[in-house]
Amino acid sequence: AQSVSQHNHHVILSEAASLELGCNYSYGGTVNLFWYVQYPGQHLQLLLKYFSGDPLVKGIKGFEAEFIKSKFSFNLRKPSVQWSDTAEYFCAVNRVAAGNKLTFGGGTRVLVKP
Amino acid sequence: EPEVTQTPSHQVTQMGQEVILRCVPISNHLYFYWYRQILGQKVEFLVSFYNNEISEKSEIFDDQFSVERPDGSNFTLKIRSTKLEDSAMYFCASSVGRQNGADTQYFGPGTRLTVL
Repeated sequence: AQSVSQHNHHVILSEAASLELGCNYSYGGTVNLFWYVQYPGQHLQLLLKYFSGDPLVKGIKGFEAEFIKSKFSFNLRKPSVQWSDTAEYFCAVNRVAAGNKLTFGGGTRVLVKP
Repeated sequence: EPEVTQTPSHQVTQMGQEVILRCVPISNHLYFYWYRQILGQKVEFLVSFYNNEISEKSEIFDDQFSVERPDGSNFTLKIRSTKLEDSAMYFCASSVGRQNGADTQYFGPGTRLTVL
């Protein structure tokens, strides 16, 4: 069965620090990849997505992610975080051969200290 | 910017009762989804719906669950006889619907269901 792993459950960092959140998936076929963010009290919002092409994708709010096919990874990065980046971040994978459903990682709670 | 909306935001029910969770997808979207997240666990896919029928469902989506698009705007999830383990946050999502899954799902704010 396809699985998606986010290795960090909680991350605490200070403003201006760099952030990298790991995401790995187990399926070897063609995939579409997503990062969603859930700010406190809000709904899941799309940060960025990868379908094809340049494996380095840029999203909203200064986030980017790199798809490394050989490592089955899609790590999320931001060079300098702000207090407003405090949120829970979810990696999600769509296995193209299996329809449109998303399989989510467990989420990473990020706390940015002012 | 159009959003997916869900009602109610919280629902408390007694075990064995039926509940209906409601969603209004984004208006030009053709695919609709339900996911759930049990407290402390991953967001899990339940069902997808396209062209007035279920296109895909997970093993969680058993006979106690049903979905419906009763009119041109609402998309509902019914749980026929709730169990304690149905307590979760239920998310509705919608997408335009493109080939090969190159399709972005937009999520609603969720309905927190508590079964007592």
